[in-house]
Amino acid sequence: NAGVTQTPKFQVLKTGQSMTLQCAQDMNHEYMSWYRQDPGMGLRLIHYSVGAGITDQGEVPNGYNVSRSTTEDFPLRLLSAAPSQTSVYFCASSQESTGMGEQYFGPGTRLTVT
Amino acid sequence: GEDVEQSLFLSVREGDSSVINCTYTDSSSTYLYWYKQEPGAGLQLLTYIFSNMDMKQDQRLTVLLNKKDKHLSLRIADTQTGDSAIYFCAETPFSGGYNKLIFGAGTRLAVHP
Repeated sequence: NAGVTQTPKFQVLKTGQSMTLQCAQDMNHEYMSWYRQDPGMGLRLIHYSVGAGITDQGEVPNGYNVSRSTTEDFPLRLLSAAPSQTSVYFCASSQESTGMGEQYFGPGTRLTVT
Repeated sequence: GEDVEQSLFLSVREGDSSVINCTYTDSSSTYLYWYKQEPGAGLQLLTYIFSNMDMKQDQRLTVLLNKKDKHLSLRIADTQTGDSAIYFCAETPFSGGYNKLIFGAGTRLAVHP
């Protein structure tokens, strides 16, 4: 198993550009989520999905869109990048949506918006 | 609201014990977690404790939970240089319904000879 994979590892965008961060898992997990990590702060939840076709907002969803057309993939779209979106983005998945579901994290995407 | 707080830095000598502390606000949290992040990597689950437990031991790791004070701690016995990392405390608030983790800011553990 590759686990949770994310691409790209690094990305630089100009303000106003759009892009998609890719996330895939090969563990047949039903729950997937996106977090951002900023210096001096814990990870904050952006969006999550409890299964194909079902998504919901987390703590900081503004400026981001998600979709879940398959169990394996959960892309995160930045519609119009802003410097405030400079961060490290982590995708995570777990087998169950509730209870003690260990979340497996990808290696992260470091995004800089200039 | 939901909030998790940790001290930001801890420095210990190799072989000593490390104790990382965390406080949380949501008394309905069912599970509390400790995640480890090594440089340039994602987070990895170290251990967790269910809210009806006071203590959990797993090899060199001991987790203590004080529900009255909403205080969680992670003790690492015989700390090694390979333990140098950032340690995150996290909770799953019941109000979330799903596995929405609320993280602390992380404690950077530095182990020196």
